Amino acid sequence: QVQLQESGPRLVKSSETLSLTCTVSGASISSDSWSWIRQPPGEGLKWIGHIYGSGSTNYNPSLNSRVTISLDTSKNQVSLRLTSVTAADTAIYYCARIRGGLWFDYWGQGSLVTVSS
Amino acid sequence: SYELTQPPSVSVSPGQTARITCSGDTLSRQFVFWYQKKSGQAPLLVIYKDTQRPSGIPERFSGSSSGTTVTLTISGVQAEDEAEYYCQSADSTDTYVFGTGTKVTVL
Repeated sequence: QVQLQESGPRLVKSSETLSLTCTVSGASISSDSWSWIRQPPGEGLKWIGHIYGSGSTNYNPSLNSRVTISLDTSKNQVSLRLTSVTAADTAIYYCARIRGGLWFDYWGQGSLVTVSS
Repeated sequence: SYELTQPPSVSVSPGQTARITCSGDTLSRQFVFWYQKKSGQAPLLVIYKDTQRPSGIPERFSGSSSGTTVTLTISGVQAEDEAEYYCQSADSTDTYVFGTGTKVTVL
């Protein structure tokens, strides 16, 4: 059974960097593709970006200049960094596995990150 | 990028049928996937590739497609089906888009 668990600071100050880690069990991160998705309060789901097991990435153009997704194969973790955050980045952040390059089959429980001024 | 449009809300009585549409210009050539999202829980895939139901999803969930509109149908709605529902597709530019979301209320 594949399991994903997000972790990281729940409170980030405005203009600083948001960093989250997704620890994966039951699958090797180098064998699949992984995505970060977020849901701001009262809003819908938004794709942030994804990373292939090879390490290549693709990001939502609206966040492209601020986001970095990376792999740590030694720890089987997928990481998200989002720089220069504002209140608009307050959201529940999910990591998910991509299946067949088309959909998300396993999700973490989500991590609420609040950006404070 | 493109957009997927859903009705903001659908209300239905228990035992009745709920239909949720997802419209987008590119959907005639892309698969659509549907997720159920309950508060405090991770999204759950309920339909994949327009019409396929994952193992463990009740038969009352079904999907259909016609042109640029796909539909999630919940037949014989139960109280536990109250949730937000999102459609999602992936396009040829290696990006993913979610629909605007539909809140299903069971009266």
